[in-house]
Amino acid sequence: GDSVTQMEGPVTLSEEAFLTINCTYTATGYPSLFWYVQYPGEGLQLLLKATKADDKGSNKGFEATYRKETTSFHLEKGSVQVSDSAVYFCALSDQGNAGKSTFGDGTTLTVKP
Amino acid sequence: DGGITQSPKYLFRKEGQNVTLSCEQNLNHDAMYWYRQDPGQGLRLIYYSQIVNDFQKGDIAEGYSVSREKKESFPLTVTSAQKNPTAFYLCATRDRGLYGYTFGSGTRLTVV
Repeated sequence: GDSVTQMEGPVTLSEEAFLTINCTYTATGYPSLFWYVQYPGEGLQLLLKATKADDKGSNKGFEATYRKETTSFHLEKGSVQVSDSAVYFCALSDQGNAGKSTFGDGTTLTVKP
Repeated sequence: DGGITQSPKYLFRKEGQNVTLSCEQNLNHDAMYWYRQDPGQGLRLIYYSQIVNDFQKGDIAEGYSVSREKKESFPLTVTSAQKNPTAFYLCATRDRGLYGYTFGSGTRLTVV
């Protein structure tokens, strides 16, 4: 079945540092890939998405590129802020699986001033 | 603005009781989903529905039940058969195509 593996956290960075959160996936079809963000006590919010190989999703300074050859979708940001502190989830949706999403376990990011 | 409303935000249940979590959406999305989130873990799918009057079990459906009588509503009942119900429950919707989910703000259920 489909699966998503994220780098283990927690990740702690200083403000303005470079962020990378690794994500790799296994899927039988041609999935769409997503990053979601969750702030304490809230639901998840869609951060960015990519629907086919070599697509780059971007939003709020975050980027991720759909790499089919390495089955990866790593999240990056050039300069993090304290307000980026949250839990980040990588996910995939496969049209052949009724559109259901499979989520990684989440990576907790803490940014210190 | 369109969105998803989950209620209540906090819910306390006594042992042996059934409780129902509400999920209402005004996004006109066809598909709706219930996920369970435990501390430090990812999301696990409980039930999902792609159209009205139809729903399917997810990975951890035992001890839960749902209904989908209206497009806007997808309530989740946590029955007394669910042995470890304390968790954060998230409702989500998806429009046609694979463009990601919209989530509600969640209900935190605690057994007392």
